[in-house]
Amino acid sequence: SQTIHQWPATLVQPVGSPLSLECTVEGTSNPNLYWYRQAAGRGLQLLFYSVGIGQISSEVPQNLSASRPQDRQFILSSKKLLLSDSGFYLCAWSVSGPVETQYFGPGTRLLVL
Amino acid sequence: GEDVEQSLFLSVREGDSSVINCTYTDSSSTYLYWYKQEPGAGLQLLTYIFSNMDMKQDQRLTVLLNKKDKHLSLRIADTQTGDSAIYFCAEMGGSYIPTFGRGTSLIVHP
Repeated sequence: SQTIHQWPATLVQPVGSPLSLECTVEGTSNPNLYWYRQAAGRGLQLLFYSVGIGQISSEVPQNLSASRPQDRQFILSSKKLLLSDSGFYLCAWSVSGPVETQYFGPGTRLLVL
Repeated sequence: GEDVEQSLFLSVREGDSSVINCTYTDSSSTYLYWYKQEPGAGLQLLTYIFSNMDMKQDQRLTVLLNKKDKHLSLRIADTQTGDSAIYFCAEMGGSYIPTFGRGTSLIVHP
């Protein structure tokens, strides 16, 4: 069966510090991968998605970047965090097929102080 | 662009049925989904329905789709306190990028 992991689960970082959040998927090959941000427990904002290694599409201009160094690894990064980067970050995966369904990881809660 | 709308809150008594409604604008929607998010957790897929169906039942969950009106609903029978969560409606058309609603907070009280 497929599983998706995210770490860390919780992170408190000072403004201006770098960020690296990791997401890995097990049990599937060549998944589509997604990063979302959820602010104040409501609504999902799609940040990045990837259909393959090294292929990253950005949905909104921002202080963040994403990379996909391996087939089942998706990393969200920032060189200098802003206060507005605080939120709940969710990684998701899907596999193209008859039913295109996204499955979500447990999330990382980021607090920038 | 595509839009998905949901009411923000729903309060029900334990044991009653809950009906969470959703409207969408994309007429090319192929799949429609319901997700559940408990506090501090990721989204859990509850069920989905193809756009060529009008109803799907899975235990206590019933999904109704009115494609003409672009209206989707999720009915939870015999609602329990463990059903308290945020419920997200989502639709997907020709791309692999779904559009999510803002979520409906379901509050179940004794």
